[in-house]
Parts: sequence; C-alpha cells; structure tokens
Amino acid sequence: ETGVTQTPRHLVMGMTNKKSLKCEQHLGHNAMYWYKQSAKKPLELMFVYSLEERVENNSVPSRFSPECPNSSHLFLHLHTLQPEDSALYLCASSQDSGGAQPQHFGDGTRLSIL
Amino acid sequence: GENVEQHPSTLSVQEGDSAVIKCTYSDSASNYFPWYKQELGKRPQLIIDIRSNVGEKKDQRIAVTLNKTAKHFSLHITETQPEDSAVYFCAASINKFYFGSGTKLNVKP
Repeated sequence: ETGVTQTPRHLVMGMTNKKSLKCEQHLGHNAMYWYKQSAKKPLELMFVYSLEERVENNSVPSRFSPECPNSSHLFLHLHTLQPEDSALYLCASSQDSGGAQPQHFGDGTRLSIL
Repeated sequence: GENVEQHPSTLSVQEGDSAVIKCTYSDSASNYFPWYKQELGKRPQLIIDIRSNVGEKKDQRIAVTLNKTAKHFSLHITETQPEDSAVYFCAASINKFYFGSGTKLNVKP
C-alpha cells in the first residue's frame, strides 16, 4: 500500500541540527496527522490538520513545527531536539478529522537524536 | 479526556490456538473502535473496526466484540498463524483517536 508515503525512513541528527520530515498522501483525504510512537507507550497525537488548517496541537514543544501547504502534503520541521525526542514519527490521513473514519498510516520516520 | 487501557501487553499462543486482546475505555460517548496491526518495522494497518451501534463484527479469522455497558471491546483471532505475530493496537474515538498501549502477539509454530 502506498497511500501514505513518509520520507526519510531513518534520520540521525545532532541536537543543534535542523531537519524536516515529509508526508504525502494519495488517498484524497482531507485530514492529516502527526503521531509520536515510543516503545511500550500509546501512540501520542501531536498535530491534526483539516483542509490545511491546524485543528489540534497537543501541547507539543515548539522545537517541533508542522506545516501543511496543501491537503496532500504535511511536514514536520525539527530544530534543537532533545535525546528524548528519539522515536518513530508516524504520519496518518483520514477522510475527515471528525474521528469516525479510519486513519491510514505511513511507514514512519525512525528518528535518532545524538 | 478518553482513557484506553489494553491487556495483555504480551501474549504468546501456539499456532492454531485462539488469541483474545481486550481494551477498556472511559468515555461512554466514544463511538468508533478500530484495531490496528503493526508488524516489526512496518506501518500500523487497520484490520477491523466496529461502531457503537453494532455489538459484533467478523472478518474471516478476526472478530471484534463491543460491550457498551461495560465499556470494553475485544479482538478475537482464531486459528492463529505465525504471520499473525505482530503488535496490535486498539483505539476508541470521540472526535479523535485514543490508542491503547499495544499487545505484542507471538504465535509459536
């Protein structure tokens, strides 16, 4: 399934670097999400976009900055991250952001902070 | 907000046996309950879902049951196979998804 594509798959960066994660969906969905997945913890919702407008920001530190230029693309800009930010970052999309439709996930970006 | 608890955290069964994973939720207004399977190094994939107006749904070897009164729902996998080995996540949704912490299922051949 190539409905939701994330790049890069792996990223190693130092705490002073700036990098961006990219997500693209080819499903014609109107909502896109960023999640953080850490070992043995529930998926943590970070941001929700509906029709390119941010509708939720779950108290995420400002070192994570999302961008949604159109309904098919979503970015997560990273700067001055901390070691505890090392995790798998998953992008997802759904028909709408109302919570009643299944979310389709990408393969994720495995992020390691040195 | 909603709180979803999932048990067990790990489950080991013999090939051919059944596996049951249970989730409880706290908000009675939750109305959509999907289950995801995540194989090692791969994306979570929806395997089955159920809405609050239905008590049970089945798809081949997989079934989900929902008890709204008790606020719990369960995933049932029959005739397990080694390729069923993965981490399974439940979620309860009221405007947004609240995920359980996952169950690592190991099916021994």
